[in-house]
Amino acid sequence: GEDVEQSLFLSVREGDSSVINCTYTDSSSTYLYWYKQEPGAGLQLLTYIFSNMDMKQDQRLTVLLNKKDKHLSLRIADTQTGDSAIYFCAETGGSYIPTFGRGTSLIVHP
Amino acid sequence: KAGVTQTPRYLIKTRGQQVTLSCSPISGHRSVSWYQQTPGQGLQFLFEYFSETQRNKGNFPGRFSGRQFSNSRSEMNVSTLELGDSALYLCASSLGLGFLGNEQFFGPGTRLTVL
Repeated sequence: GEDVEQSLFLSVREGDSSVINCTYTDSSSTYLYWYKQEPGAGLQLLTYIFSNMDMKQDQRLTVLLNKKDKHLSLRIADTQTGDSAIYFCAETGGSYIPTFGRGTSLIVHP
Repeated sequence: KAGVTQTPRYLIKTRGQQVTLSCSPISGHRSVSWYQQTPGQGLQFLFEYFSETQRNKGNFPGRFSGRQFSNSRSEMNVSTLELGDSALYLCASSLGLGFLGNEQFFGPGTRLTVL
């Protein structure tokens, strides 16, 4: 089946930029998503990008998509301690069923 | 507007028992999807209900079932529980059908522990 890969951990200092990377295998991916999960909570949609775009910016968040390499990244500018959470990459291809990565734990040090 | 609510939040069962989890979507949302989250397998799609009908199904055994009521509330049932069913079960609601282009709003989840 299709697969989505993410690194498990990322540690950054407060005020720095964070870049979380994701690779996927589904060549028919239509939408790609970034979700945030805080302890004890469900997933919160941060942003999504349609597969015919290569960049999307929303305040401190920048999503870059390299469709040729099937690589998606999420950049968080001026990372704050409140950004500490698990970040999930997800994609949907030809089916309605989403495939999620395992999640990247972002740890922000003061 | 109230968010997605799930009950109960925590549940402990023993092997062989069955369990029913409940999800109340955001008012006006007609789609409810269920996901299983475990450390080993990550987040996996179980099924989606829209207008009381199951529309999409993930790769889970028949012990996992669900239903949706006319008010869009949904229940998920797991029969003959196994240790491997221990997980966080997340419910998400959306206005339209499917994941494509529809923002899903997630509940806090039900933590099921099977002993």
